[in-house]
Amino acid sequence: GESVGLHLPTLSVQEGDNSIINCAYSNSASDYFIWYKQESGKGPQFIIDIRSNMDKRQGQRVTVLLNKTVKHLSLQIAATQPGDSAVYFCAENMRGSARQLTFGSGTQLTVLP
Amino acid sequence: DSGVTQTPKHLITATGQRVTLRCSPRSGDLSVYWYQQSLDQGLQFLIHYYNGEERAKGNILERFSAQQFPDLHSELNLSSLELGDSALYFCASSVTRAGETQYFGPGTRLLVL
Repeated sequence: GESVGLHLPTLSVQEGDNSIINCAYSNSASDYFIWYKQESGKGPQFIIDIRSNMDKRQGQRVTVLLNKTVKHLSLQIAATQPGDSAVYFCAENMRGSARQLTFGSGTQLTVLP
Repeated sequence: DSGVTQTPKHLITATGQRVTLRCSPRSGDLSVYWYQQSLDQGLQFLIHYYNGEERAKGNILERFSAQQFPDLHSELNLSSLELGDSALYFCASSVTRAGETQYFGPGTRLLVL
């Protein structure tokens, strides 16, 4: 079946640099996407979402970009901080009568001092 | 703090046993979702309840069952436990039944020995 996947399992960035985490999805019926952050021992924490009628959405230090042509989603974190170290998941929500989130495998972001 | 509470935080039990995990959604949220997170499977959707009624089933084993009570809290029952059931179990809640923005609890870590 179709699923959400991530390009890279790990990403290391220097503190203060920008981070870009990528996600590929294959289900063209998905119309809502969410990025979650999961710190060790904690539950996933909502970061930002975007609907399929948008290409870009900005939050505090985070931006999500959606490219429906190539079915690609990215999360940009500006001025990455040590507290940003975590696993980041993208999730998609498909149109249909029984909506549910399908999660990607996650990317481990490590912020180097 | 997402506002979703889960108990217990940790659970250690033996194979063949039965356990009950409890979840209280955020105030006002009518939907509760259960997920299993293991090292080799990632975050897997198990089941969704909306206002007391089952809305969708994912990869939930027949040994597992859930329910949502009139006060909207939910319980996930795991029976005839096997070693492979060891995992983190998360519940999430959302306002609507559309499966959109879901807020996760801190999880219950289950260890089956």
